[in-house]
Amino acid sequence: DAKTTQPTSMDCAEGRAANLPCNHSTISGNEYVYWYRQIHSQGPQYIIHGLKNNETNEMASLIITEDRKSSTLILPHATLRDTAVYYCIVRVAGFQKLVFGTGTRLLVSP
Amino acid sequence: KAGVTQTPRYLIKTRGQQVTLSCSPISGHRSVSWYQQTPGQGLQFLFEYFSETQRNKGNFPGRFSGRQFSNSRSEMNVSTLELGDSALYLCASSWGAMNTEAFFGQGTRLTVV
Repeated sequence: DAKTTQPTSMDCAEGRAANLPCNHSTISGNEYVYWYRQIHSQGPQYIIHGLKNNETNEMASLIITEDRKSSTLILPHATLRDTAVYYCIVRVAGFQKLVFGTGTRLLVSP
Repeated sequence: KAGVTQTPRYLIKTRGQQVTLSCSPISGHRSVSWYQQTPGQGLQFLFEYFSETQRNKGNFPGRFSGRQFSNSRSEMNVSTLELGDSALYLCASSWGAMNTEAFFGQGTRLTVV
């Protein structure tokens, strides 16, 4: 599984966009980029995933660079409830194994 | 639609004992995976089951085992518990094996004393 590199922590003001970067320079052609988040003491929550095209859903947008070596998760209007650890994961299609790194601890402040 | 249900939510066991944790996936989901989360090691993959077959196993000792039943419910067992087995054990279910998102339960917090 490709390794990912994320900043340890980030801050964001409530109402502003939160842009969380992820580097995955060794990603293979059949590996997808997944984002999960974990709010304290809860199970991880799926946010979004993509292969090479940008994706958007009701929670967030995922921007993947053309060379697929990095991506950015965008929370367009962060709220206090978005405070969590965000994990960027690359995963081979066909297997459910998720390799979690240390993630980015996002703190949204008023 | 009910989410992933894990039972029990909290458990205290003594060193040397064994424990069985249960996971009921979302209705219709056929894949179940297990993870261990500790402050020191983070989230680590234990095993993955699809249609009652173990498809993948993480780097854990043989004391950790699991199984999946025909109704997709899954159990994991840890024998000869050690203090280091204290952790949050998380179960995730997915509809299929191909590129489907996993939905996690709230976990079982196991404390070994």
